[in-house]
Amino acid sequence: GQQLNQSPQSMFIQEGEDVSMNCTSSSIFNTWLWYKQEPGEGPVLLIALYKAGELTSNGRLTAQFGITRKDSFLNISASIPSDVGIYFCAGQPLEYGNKLVFGAGTILRVKS
Amino acid sequence: GAGVSQSPSNKVTEKGKDVELRCDPISGHTALYWYRQSLGQGLEFLIYFQGNSAPDKSGLPSDRFSAERTGGSVSTLTIQRTQQEDSAVYLCASNLGGRAEAFFGQGTRLTVV
Repeated sequence: GQQLNQSPQSMFIQEGEDVSMNCTSSSIFNTWLWYKQEPGEGPVLLIALYKAGELTSNGRLTAQFGITRKDSFLNISASIPSDVGIYFCAGQPLEYGNKLVFGAGTILRVKS
Repeated sequence: GAGVSQSPSNKVTEKGKDVELRCDPISGHTALYWYRQSLGQGLEFLIYFQGNSAPDKSGLPSDRFSAERTGGSVSTLTIQRTQQEDSAVYLCASNLGGRAEAFFGQGTRLTVV
């Protein structure tokens, strides 16, 4: 159904490495969003994607809306310690209008 | 204010008591969401308000949970007869309705003892 499968669950990488995470679903999505959450804070929006195939960058972050409209990925290049946090994908399933559903999150830890 | 505001930031309550959590969305945002986040977990959808439409309550876990949105602005999430498993961070978000980008408050951390 509308469930989002996000992977990996966690990553522990060396500072300077690139990071890739993704979300997939069996449902078609109208939109994909990527958020970052730090301890004690609400999620903060990083990137929004509205069209199939769309590739959008925000600094060292790049995200794409999959052609099938059932998946999205987020890449972080040259990771730095402040990239630490939980990254969530979110989307609006086609059949649920404006309802926004979230993946389970990817925990990112960076070794400096 | 400029962002989504939630109050209180922390709430400790005794099992069986009722609690009310408040959310002030961004001015002009027509849509408002409530989510629950248990420790180390993802965001669980609870309820969604869009303008004057009937709210989508499909995520409310039991009839002890209810929410209102007065005047299309402030929303209150009420949990009656709280249980220990209700302990979590309750997050509110708002958006323009026609746009997916939702902006979150800092959440209310609820602890039921």
